[in-house]
Order: sequence, then structure tokens, then C-alpha cells
Amino acid sequence: SAVISQKPSRDICQRGTSLTIQCQVDSQVTMMFWYRQQPGQSLTLIATANQGSEATYESGFVIDKFPISRPNLTFSTLTVSNMSPEDSSIYLCSVKSRHTDTQYFGPGTRLTVL
Amino acid sequence: KQEVTQIPAALSVPEGENLVLNCSFTDSAIYNLQWFRQDPGKGLTSLLLIQSSQREQTSGRLNASLDKSSGRSTLYIAASQPGDSATYLCAVRPGNRGSTLGRLYFGRGTQLTVWP
Repeated sequence: SAVISQKPSRDICQRGTSLTIQCQVDSQVTMMFWYRQQPGQSLTLIATANQGSEATYESGFVIDKFPISRPNLTFSTLTVSNMSPEDSSIYLCSVKSRHTDTQYFGPGTRLTVL
Repeated sequence: KQEVTQIPAALSVPEGENLVLNCSFTDSAIYNLQWFRQDPGKGLTSLLLIQSSQREQTSGRLNASLDKSSGRSTLYIAASQPGDSATYLCAVRPGNRGSTLGRLYFGRGTQLTVWP
């Protein structure tokens, strides 16, 4: 299995500011993803973080709003830019194991935007 | 687009009962299906993964079945305990080439409470 850590675990931010969330995995993984879980909703994929290249975004999500980096096989960051209260969600990092099809999730970052 | 539905949305039972949680999906062209558990304020813990070619998987008191042709999966929890209280999420990984590789489609979950 993969052990995933995220920083920060939670934050309260002001409208118009930006927050960068870090995701660290304890082993090299083939794929890393960023999901969002809005209150009372299911998880929605934001983007696939590609190592050494631009992330692949899902419909409805854009790079200017959610810039993503993945400089190596074990680390990625997601930035939530120019935040509004609608961005209040839990943001989760997910990885796919190199050896199995199981996907693992980090503990999440709970973001509240005032 | 794949849509995943979970029924019931919430379930409250006394300790010791056997439970069935339901998951349905609209597109049967799946690669696999995964059941997760989410505790309040925590991330997701993988419980069971069923490949599209499999019918069921078991882990301890948990048994998950898959009927791909009808677009259904069930998670059976035997002899429930208060520690089983959590939200249970079903997620489907599409098998067709038109979808983002590795992405999962989630249901909204079943919130389970097991009381002593």
C-alpha cells in the first residue's frame, strides 16, 4: 500500500487569496490525482498530475484556477487560486499503486473560504 | 458519462446486524470497482477492489459482489460493530478509452451508524 500525507490538514482563508496544498507519497507511484469533495457531494476529479509536464484537467477545471505541479514521482502540489466561498471543500490527493490497481487517498485538506 | 448511485443515503442499525449497502452504475464498461470507507474529517480507506472479471471479493467481515451486466455492486457487512460507523463510498473506474486513465467516479456514499 501507499502512505500519503497532505499539508495543511485544514485552513481558513480569506476571499481572493490562494492556498497551496502539498501531497507526499512514501513510494514512487505511476499516477497522482487531485479530487474535490464539496459538502454533501461525491468526490469529483480535478486533474491528473503528470510528472514533469502540465497536468490534465477535467471538464470544468482550469489551470489558472487550480495550477498543479509534480516535479517527481512522489510529490505534487495543488494551488487553489483567487479563492471564493464556493471553493470551500475537502481536497484529496490520490495515487495509483505501481503494483496493483488499488487507488489510495491522502487524509485530505479541509478548506474554508470566508 | 458514468453515474454512480448509492442506496440508502443513511443507515442506522443496532450492533450485531448484517448489512447490505447498494451501489449502481450506469455504464457497464468498467475496469474495476472499489469500495472505500471515510471517517469524519479523514481521507478514504480502501476496503475492497473487484476487477471487472470478478464476481466478489472478501475481507474479514466484508464481502463485495459485482454484477457488471446489471450495473450493480453490493457491500455486505456481517455482524456490524460500532467501529463500523463511517461513510461507505463506491467508486467505479471506467474501462473505455474515452475516459481519463485511472479516474474514478464516486457515489455520494452511505452514512452508516452502528449503535451499541
